[in-house]
Amino acid sequence: SYVLTQPPSVSVAPGKTARITCGGNNIGSKSVHWYQQKPGQAPVLVIYDDSDRPSGIPERFSGSNSGNTATLTISRVEAGDEADYYCQVWDSSSDHPVFGGGTKLTVL
Amino acid sequence: QVQLVESGGGLVKPGGSLRLSCAASGFTFSDYYMSWIRQAPGKGLEWVSYISSSGSTIYYADSVKGRFTISRDNAKNSLYLQMNSLRAEDTAVYYCARDQRQYYYDSRVISWFDPWGQGTLVTVSS
Repeated sequence: SYVLTQPPSVSVAPGKTARITCGGNNIGSKSVHWYQQKPGQAPVLVIYDDSDRPSGIPERFSGSNSGNTATLTISRVEAGDEADYYCQVWDSSSDHPVFGGGTKLTVL
Repeated sequence: QVQLVESGGGLVKPGGSLRLSCAASGFTFSDYYMSWIRQAPGKGLEWVSYISSSGSTIYYADSVKGRFTISRDNAKNSLYLQMNSLRAEDTAVYYCARDQRQYYYDSRVISWFDPWGQGTLVTVSS
């Protein structure tokens, strides 16, 4: 089964840029999606198909995907961005979706 | 607006059964694949099962295969998860989610989840 690897935690100061990575074998050939989950809440889609933003998601959220790493970038980080972030792809070999282990973003 | 509301969670003993429901509104339910995704306390997200728009295609994670059954009633705009032979490791918040599925000519599949319900907690304990 396909494995996605995320760093357990990322810390960033307010106003700076946070980058959360998602590693996988040749992940650049897959479509990557990102979810934000705040404590006690359901996940919310923030990026789909590598770099598209759903309506209502600030332009500060962007995504990229190449080679063996996909990246979620959050510019001008705010305190309200503090959350867990999960990447997700479709595993064609097993015919089902796969999630990364999640990254806790801490705003210092 | 698009909304998913789960119900049916609770405390159950190991070996017991529970049936979860997910009521959908604000979109044409019968047009979409739907999924169940769970999250154990303090852990990450784990996909559990999906069902096609007509109900003809169903997949399960290996961890629940043979014990859980997903189904849907398009006339009632509802998704279900029948959970049997429950184990302590099934303890989790269970979310239903609309599956935004796209198939390409080269057999490539793109699938993401939006929106998610608020979740329902299932606790398996004696």
